[in-house]
Amino acid sequence: QVQLVESGGGVVQPGRSLRLSCGASGFPFGSYGMHWVRQAPGKGLEWVAVIWHDGSNKYYTDSVKGRFTISRDNSKNTMYLQMNSLRAEDTAVYYCARDAVECSGGGCYSLFAFDIWGPGTMVTVSS
Amino acid sequence: DIVMTQTQLSSAVTLGQPASISCRSSQSLVHSDGNTYLSWLQQRPGQPPRLLIYKIFNRFSGVPDRFSGSGAGTDFTLKISRVEAEDVGVYYCMQATQFPRTFGGGTKVEIK
Repeated sequence: QVQLVESGGGVVQPGRSLRLSCGASGFPFGSYGMHWVRQAPGKGLEWVAVIWHDGSNKYYTDSVKGRFTISRDNSKNTMYLQMNSLRAEDTAVYYCARDAVECSGGGCYSLFAFDIWGPGTMVTVSS
Repeated sequence: DIVMTQTQLSSAVTLGQPASISCRSSQSLVHSDGNTYLSWLQQRPGQPPRLLIYKIFNRFSGVPDRFSGSGAGTDFTLKISRVEAEDVGVYYCMQATQFPRTFGGGTKVEIK
């Protein structure tokens, strides 16, 4: 069964750090790009970061650049989000999501959409 | 950044009736490869988002055929041909033509 499960959320003081994990199962994790998306309480979705299937490229939304680091360990089927210098505005449910891929004609191509999502983990930044 | 704007913050619909949700982007979503990377997601209460449509009109695996997507360039529409009770939730459009990926503000579908 294809599945993503986030962990590592909690309550943390402003300025402190937290590391989120996203464990994958049921598919060849190392073949897929992966994303973090967050949702503040009662608000909409905000894309946070992406990492290529092999870790070769990473992109971030401006508000987290220099503070958050996305990484992955394909041998452990796990993606991470290291969050430093946390702010109150980082309070949100953090979801990991898989980049959708279609395979045809001997190759696999990104569909530029997010097809599998985890249940999310809540991060609360508060003193 | 590309700004995604969804009309109608809330839309109450009668069961069995159609519903339509609009999404507009601040610039064309046509990628340099010729594709338009606009997708639609559904978020039911208390659940993570779920992919419905990708590349404007392609229904994702397992999505009922009452959901359809259309549009081009900067204007896009998600239609539900006959709303069912399980369709209650918030619908988001998302562009993946460039980084950062951006979402519309969401449109809430409720049953009248």
